[in-house]
Amino acid sequence: QKEVEQDPGPLSVPEGAIVSLNCTYSNSAFQYFMWYRQYSRKGPELLMYTYSSGNKEDGRFTAQVDKSSKYISLFIRDSQPSDSATYLCAMSAQRGSGSARQLTFGSGTQLTVLP
Amino acid sequence: SQTIHQWPATLVQPVGSPLSLECTVEGTSNPNLYWYRQAAGRGLQLLFYSVGIGQISSEVPQNLSASRPQDRQFILSSKKLLLSDSGFYLCAWSAPNGDTFGSGTRLTVV
Repeated sequence: QKEVEQDPGPLSVPEGAIVSLNCTYSNSAFQYFMWYRQYSRKGPELLMYTYSSGNKEDGRFTAQVDKSSKYISLFIRDSQPSDSATYLCAMSAQRGSGSARQLTFGSGTQLTVLP
Repeated sequence: SQTIHQWPATLVQPVGSPLSLECTVEGTSNPNLYWYRQAAGRGLQLLFYSVGIGQISSEVPQNLSASRPQDRQFILSSKKLLLSDSGFYLCAWSAPNGDTFGSGTRLTVV
């Protein structure tokens, strides 16, 4: 079983739709949760960062974390064609010497928003 | 502001040739630095991380090595490339509110 599971999609929605992207995880040590957006042939871009259960909102994006269920979500409201990209969830637990934080990624969900 | 530079953007190398990818960070000191590889349609796999000059930790046994000769410089190397080394290589550093990635190097071994 992978530590982080993410539905790979592809997911196709009309412009203006609400998009829900999800990840589940098995390692209860994960305490920090991130969502990245990656355009084709580009590096991932950090969208949301959170470390507590509940919701965090930033513009059209809302990150939701449920640690009891080991489940995180990213909601995109009023989706735009420019939101078309691959979305990666990532999470980490504090780690040993040097305080190096290692991220464990989901495999990514490919999203297309149709105009 | 902090920025991360990674080059080259694209590289085509024959099997058995050496490799050197460079990553530099600006606007911060003593960063934690990481090398990831991303295979097509898959998530990112952590290859190496470094918490300081000369300190390298390897996560996956492989044909690659990493070095950190300066505080803000991280290098990924190979003496002899394999076909299986093809992929998208990403450098990253740990910012307080999430990790920041470079633009990546797409390596094709032929």
